[in-house]
Amino acid sequence: GENVEQHPSTLSVQEGDSAVIKCTYSDSASNYFPWYKQELGKRPQLIIDIRSNVGEKKDQRIAVTLNKTAKHFSLHITETQPEDSAVYFCAASRGGNTPLVFGKGTRLSVIA
Amino acid sequence: DAGVTQSPTHLIKTRGQQVTLRCSPISGHKSVSWYQQVLGQGPQFIFQYYEKEERGRGNFPDRFSARQFPNYSSELNVNALLLGDSALYLCASSYVPDGSYEQYFGPGTRLTVT
Repeated sequence: GENVEQHPSTLSVQEGDSAVIKCTYSDSASNYFPWYKQELGKRPQLIIDIRSNVGEKKDQRIAVTLNKTAKHFSLHITETQPEDSAVYFCAASRGGNTPLVFGKGTRLSVIA
Repeated sequence: DAGVTQSPTHLIKTRGQQVTLRCSPISGHKSVSWYQQVLGQGPQFIFQYYEKEERGRGNFPDRFSARQFPNYSSELNVNALLLGDSALYLCASSYVPDGSYEQYFGPGTRLTVT
């Protein structure tokens, strides 16, 4: 089955700097890659996703890149703000009505 | 994602007891998935239901079971509770018919087994 590895497990950045979180996956049939943000005691919130037919997607300060050949994808957050502090999870699936396989998460701390 | 609801919010049970968790998906969504999130880990897939049929099952023992009702709400049952079942149980809903892949999570049920 699918296995998703996520790095780093913790990340501290200064406010205004960029943050990058990387994930690798094992199942070459995976074609949907969402990112979730989970604040303490809250539900995971979908912040951005990408399908295998594109290599990059942006939404304001957040971008995701995908390299299907290398089977890795990354989350990029620019101009970080203290409210970006949370745990971020990457996930992969074969799309459609199939389950998500999650990475173990990255705890991002943005220091003001 | 303001629409997936779960009950109860918190639950404390003792070993050996049984528990039932409930989920109502976003209006119009026909698929419900259940995930277990142990502290410090990512959510782990338990079950997926679509149109009242089980469409997927994760690597969990038979003590875990679920069902989906005609109104697309769902229940997750766990029998013979173990200490290791303590976790946040998340329900996610998705639409599916239009090819949407997005899954939206509910607030979760925090289960503590003592």
